[in-house]
Amino acid sequence: DSGVTQTPKHLITATGQRVTLRCSPRSGDLSVYWYQQSLDQGLQFLIQYYNGEERAKGNILERFSAQQFPDLHSELNLSSLELGDSALYFCASSGIAGAQETQYFGPGTRLLVL
Amino acid sequence: GNSVTQMEGPVTLSEEAFLTINCTYTATGYPSLFWYVQYPGEGLQLLLKATKADDKGSNKGFEATYRKETTSFHLEKGSVQVSDSAVYFCALQNSGGSNYKLTFGKGTLLTVNP
Repeated sequence: DSGVTQTPKHLITATGQRVTLRCSPRSGDLSVYWYQQSLDQGLQFLIQYYNGEERAKGNILERFSAQQFPDLHSELNLSSLELGDSALYFCASSGIAGAQETQYFGPGTRLLVL
Repeated sequence: GNSVTQMEGPVTLSEEAFLTINCTYTATGYPSLFWYVQYPGEGLQLLLKATKADDKGSNKGFEATYRKETTSFHLEKGSVQVSDSAVYFCALQNSGGSNYKLTFGKGTLLTVNP
């Protein structure tokens, strides 16, 4: 158990809908990362937050957004969902946002868009 | 940009066989290197890491050495067990700037038969 929790574990929804994925980092960790794992793209970085502020963006679509709250949990919002958004979404946390910092991953949320 | 190339799987071995999974990378500066493992239906777990050239990471009988001259971080284990069956991901992390995202290889599926 990494100490990172994600809810829900599974999510099934329809095209055009909006969903929210939630992540609670390890106790004391300030930095949260979101990654998407799909069969065709592999594991890709989406976005990073540090202590409530957006720190870096990767291949995140404009239909997707995220935030980190004062209690340090983070939410990833996916809207106008398309079939191709079906994937496993991971959250990871680290103590600070520095080089050599290990990122600890949650169990993931499996999203299926029908 | 950064990239990681790891050997395509799947790899199928008998118990107690020797394992090597090749990983090479392209990056600027001096990245940190990681091996993560994903067991069926679970999230990513850190297996080992190395943060500078010639460092050797090791854990649970697995080893990998950070070779800057060949830009490689090959994973090895002397005697695999059935319980090692999983997907293995090589990853690198920037050493500078403000984005400490992980860049992953495509993963190598290992199956160990009794």
